[in-house]
Amino acid sequence: KQEVTQIPAALSVPEGENLVLNCSFTDSAIYNLQWFRQDPGKGLTSLLLIQSSQREQTSGRLNASLDKSSGRSTLYIAASQPGDSATYLCAVSGNQFYFGTGTSLTVIP
Amino acid sequence: NAGVTQTPKFRVLKTGQSMTLLCAQDMNHEYMYWYRQDPGMGLRLIHYSVGEGTTAKGEVPDGYNVSRLKKQNFLLGLESAAPSQTSVYFCASSLSGRSTDTQYFGPGTRLTVL
Repeated sequence: KQEVTQIPAALSVPEGENLVLNCSFTDSAIYNLQWFRQDPGKGLTSLLLIQSSQREQTSGRLNASLDKSSGRSTLYIAASQPGDSATYLCAVSGNQFYFGTGTSLTVIP
Repeated sequence: NAGVTQTPKFRVLKTGQSMTLLCAQDMNHEYMYWYRQDPGMGLRLIHYSVGEGTTAKGEVPDGYNVSRLKKQNFLLGLESAAPSQTSVYFCASSLSGRSTDTQYFGPGTRLTVL
């Protein structure tokens, strides 16, 4: 069974700092990996999707990388802003979808 | 486009009662999913559907049933609710199951079983 782990569980940074969120998975037989954002009491919003054949995807200040062989992905957020405060989840798609437990990010003004 | 909507937003049940959660999407998506989210456990797939009239079990299907009679709707039923089913339930949809397809999520239903 696929296991998805996200470290750290919580992170607090001052505004303007660059930061990295980590996601690891145990089974490299995946179709894609997605990063989602979840605001309190809300649903999930897709940020980036990396297909298994790709190494990275970029959207604005966000950059996600994928190393399938080592079972790792990182989400890089540049020049963090208070509006980036949320929980970030990664999910891998194989025969089913498996989610990590998320990293709760707080950006302090 | 409303995207993915869920009804109701909140519900409190007593043990043994039944209820149905409704998910609707207006994006003409083929695939639909039901997840539950519990503290410290992430989202777990309950059931999913790859098209109208089809359903399949996910990671944690026990105690739940689903139906997809219309392409735009995916219903999740609890026949006899138990306290262990207290959770936040999310519905999602995607155009297909291709590796390029993003899942779109509803706002969630918070269910408490007493």
